[in-house]
Amino acid sequence: NAGVTQTPKFQVLKTGQSMTLQCAQDMNHEYMSWYRQDPGMGLRLIHYSVGAGITDQGEVPNGYNVSRSTTEDFPLRLLSAAPSQTSVYFCASSYSGQGWETQYFGPGTRLLVL
Amino acid sequence: ELKVEQNPLFLSMQEGKNYTIYCNYSTTSDRLYWYRQDPGKSLESLFVLLSNGAVKQEGRLMASLDTKARLSTLHITAAVHDLSATYFCAVDSGNTGNQFYFGTGTSLTVIP
Repeated sequence: NAGVTQTPKFQVLKTGQSMTLQCAQDMNHEYMSWYRQDPGMGLRLIHYSVGAGITDQGEVPNGYNVSRSTTEDFPLRLLSAAPSQTSVYFCASSYSGQGWETQYFGPGTRLLVL
Repeated sequence: ELKVEQNPLFLSMQEGKNYTIYCNYSTTSDRLYWYRQDPGKSLESLFVLLSNGAVKQEGRLMASLDTKARLSTLHITAAVHDLSATYFCAVDSGNTGNQFYFGTGTSLTVIP
């Protein structure tokens, strides 16, 4: 199993540009989530999904969209990038998301918005 | 808003010494997780604590959970250089799926 994969690893955007961060898992996990990590702030939940077709907002959803058309994929879209979205983005998954299990994290995408 | 506070934020300790990292949280939850992150890397799961009084141990690390005090501890015994990393605790407050709230992390440096 490849586990949780993310692409790209690095990305530089100009303010106002849009892009999609890709996340895929091959563990047949129902639950997937997106976090951003900023210095001194730990990780903050952006959006999550408990299964295909079901998504919900986390702690910091503004400026981001998600969809979940398949169990394997959970892309994160930045509609109009802003410098405040410069961060490291992690995707994570777990089997059911019901609370008794840990999440498995991808390698991360480092995003710089100029 | 759920708050998760870790202390200390930075910890420098000598090899062979013991120390404890504290994780306090502001809501009732009986689901707490510890992760390790090496510089520039992803997060690696260390412990899952799911009930009051839960204690888990792996090597030189031991984690415990007191849900009444809303406190978890990560105890390091006889530290070695390989334990140098950033350690995060996370509390799950979700009812319809995991909603993890992370602490700010404790950056641990073990000095030979």
